[in-house]
Amino acid sequence: AQSVTQLGSHVSVSEGALVLLRCNYSSSVPPYLFWYVQYPNQGLQLLLKYTTGATLVKGINGFEAEFKKSETSFHLTKPSAHMSDAAEYFCAVSDTDKLIFGTGTRLQVFP
Amino acid sequence: GAVVSQHPSRVICKSGTSVKIECRSLDFQATTMFWYRQFPKQSLMLMATSNEGSKATYEQGVEKDKFLINHASLTLSTLTVTSAHPEDSSFYICSARDGSRGNQPQHFGDGTRLSIL
Repeated sequence: AQSVTQLGSHVSVSEGALVLLRCNYSSSVPPYLFWYVQYPNQGLQLLLKYTTGATLVKGINGFEAEFKKSETSFHLTKPSAHMSDAAEYFCAVSDTDKLIFGTGTRLQVFP
Repeated sequence: GAVVSQHPSRVICKSGTSVKIECRSLDFQATTMFWYRQFPKQSLMLMATSNEGSKATYEQGVEKDKFLINHASLTLSTLTVTSAHPEDSSFYICSARDGSRGNQPQHFGDGTRLSIL
């Protein structure tokens, strides 16, 4: 069975600082991995995805994530946080049909 | 591209009322749509997978007769919460996948906040 673990339910950074949101997965087959962002009272927006190929994936809003098979990780990073990045972030792994979500990480950005 | 529209965004109604929520893929055809429920400060819980032209597949513990799902076309799926009670109050989110393979992302609607008085 596939699963996702997001370490840290809350992450706080200063504006302009590096953002690092951690995601580890468990999968018996090559995984498809996704990061989504959720703003208050809204649905989820796709930030980026990894399926095959290049392990460093660039997404929208300056975010990127690196698939590391040896570490079973897919951490999300952004070099410089912006106030508008404050939101809930979900890592997800896909089997042939469903998305399995992590528990989410709330990112706070302080001025 | 890949826009999913979900309506209504908010519903407040009395206990015993049935509520219908619509999920539309606006610029692509979705053979598969998904319905999720999200409790405050928690992750998304998959309720059911909806396939166009066939019966929905419900997750364990989700009452089929309570949460009726219809996927009559490639762009529309509906979730009807029948005889809603206060414990059904929640944030319901739909998603649609452009294609049938797991490597294709799901695109989400903006959710429906359901409040049962």
